[in-house]
Amino acid sequence: KNQVEQSPQSLIILEGKNCTLQCNYTVSPFSNLRWYKQDTGRGPVSLTIMTFSENTKSNGRYTATLDADTKQSSLHITASQLSDSASYICVVSDRGSTLGRLYFGRGTQLTVWP
Amino acid sequence: EADIYQTPRYLVIGTGKKITLECSQTMGHDKMYWYQQDPGMELHLIHYSYGVNSTEKGDLSSESTVSRIRTEHFPLTLESARPSHTSQYLCATHGTANTEAFFGQGTRLTVV
Repeated sequence: KNQVEQSPQSLIILEGKNCTLQCNYTVSPFSNLRWYKQDTGRGPVSLTIMTFSENTKSNGRYTATLDADTKQSSLHITASQLSDSASYICVVSDRGSTLGRLYFGRGTQLTVWP
Repeated sequence: EADIYQTPRYLVIGTGKKITLECSQTMGHDKMYWYQQDPGMELHLIHYSYGVNSTEKGDLSSESTVSRIRTEHFPLTLESARPSHTSQYLCATHGTANTEAFFGQGTRLTVV
């Protein structure tokens, strides 16, 4: 069964600190892995997208890593800001269908305190 | 900035009413999707479309229906709303399997 598991479920950090969110997946055949940021009551917004051959990708203070062998990914946030408070969702796409089906994790709810 | 729009953003409606949630995109993408998301839970695919006159049911069973008469529009309809339909509905589109998926802002539906 294609699944995406994220940890931790929730995380509280102080402004300026770094944090790392984890994602494990069993989606096969793998096409790509995406990290999205979702503010409360809004739609997800893309942070990074990585294919099989990419190990790391950065977008400002966000750095995503991918280990396709162990089927694990992480999202590292550097020097957190209050505006980083949101749910971070790991999404994996398969290449076994023309649809390019997306499989969603439940997200990690990040809260940044001043 | 993504050019995909959903209306209304919020809707409170009585049981038994018929409603239509609108979704429009200006990117010319063929593939469009409807997801349902409950608080703290993952997104579940309820409908998708490969293009005009193409609609398919997703993984999560839903009593809603969709139509795709034009590339730009992918409305979702509930013929008779029930409290169990209370949820957030997200519309999305992307060009190919390896490109970014764009999401609308979502419609928060409450059926009382």
